[in-house]
Amino acid sequence: AQKITQTQPGMFVQEKEAVTLDCTYDTSDPSYGLFWYKQPSSGEMIFLIYQGSYDQQNATEGRYSLNFQKARKSANLVISASQLGDSAMYFCAMRATSGTYKYIFGTGTRLKVLA
Amino acid sequence: ETGVTQSPTHLIKTRGQQVTLRCSSQSGHNTVSWYQQALGQGPQFIFQYYREEENGRGNFPPRFSGLQFPNYSSELNVNALELDDSALYLCASSYRDPSGYEQFFGPGTRLTVL
Repeated sequence: AQKITQTQPGMFVQEKEAVTLDCTYDTSDPSYGLFWYKQPSSGEMIFLIYQGSYDQQNATEGRYSLNFQKARKSANLVISASQLGDSAMYFCAMRATSGTYKYIFGTGTRLKVLA
Repeated sequence: ETGVTQSPTHLIKTRGQQVTLRCSSQSGHNTVSWYQQALGQGPQFIFQYYREEENGRGNFPPRFSGLQFPNYSSELNVNALELDDSALYLCASSYRDPSGYEQFFGPGTRLTVL
């Protein structure tokens, strides 16, 4: 069965500092995708970054980078130069690249950026 | 490009009632997925519709049902509401092909069951 584990219920980071949000996953699918979403208090899920299981390089999108370690089954999100607007819930998710394409989400990490 | 929209924004029902939530998918998308997000939890997959047919279902009872229409909009119906059905219901649309990967989420419908 597929599973996403986020072990950090809450994190604090000082403005302009970098922060790493942890995510480990479990799947028997040979091909899958890993995602990070941001959910502000408004509730909408905002796509941040994607990593395919066969991608050789770690994904980057602006201040977001994904530290993908396939052998360890981890897909940590790194946010550089944190901003006050980064305060939100962050969810790691996995999608199989076959079948139903459904997403499995972790329980989330609440990030608070301090001024 | 129009994003994913959901209606209503908020809804209050009583136990035992039935509810219908609506979702309009992003232009060009042929797949809609529905998720339930309880307070403080991650979204849980309910089911997915692809070209008007259910294509995968999570661990939800049959009283959760859905439809997808020819224009790819979708409805989520929940019968015999229970208190535990109180949650944020998220709709996400995508274009299904082997290389496609991104789901675009709507703002959600917050359902409260009293």
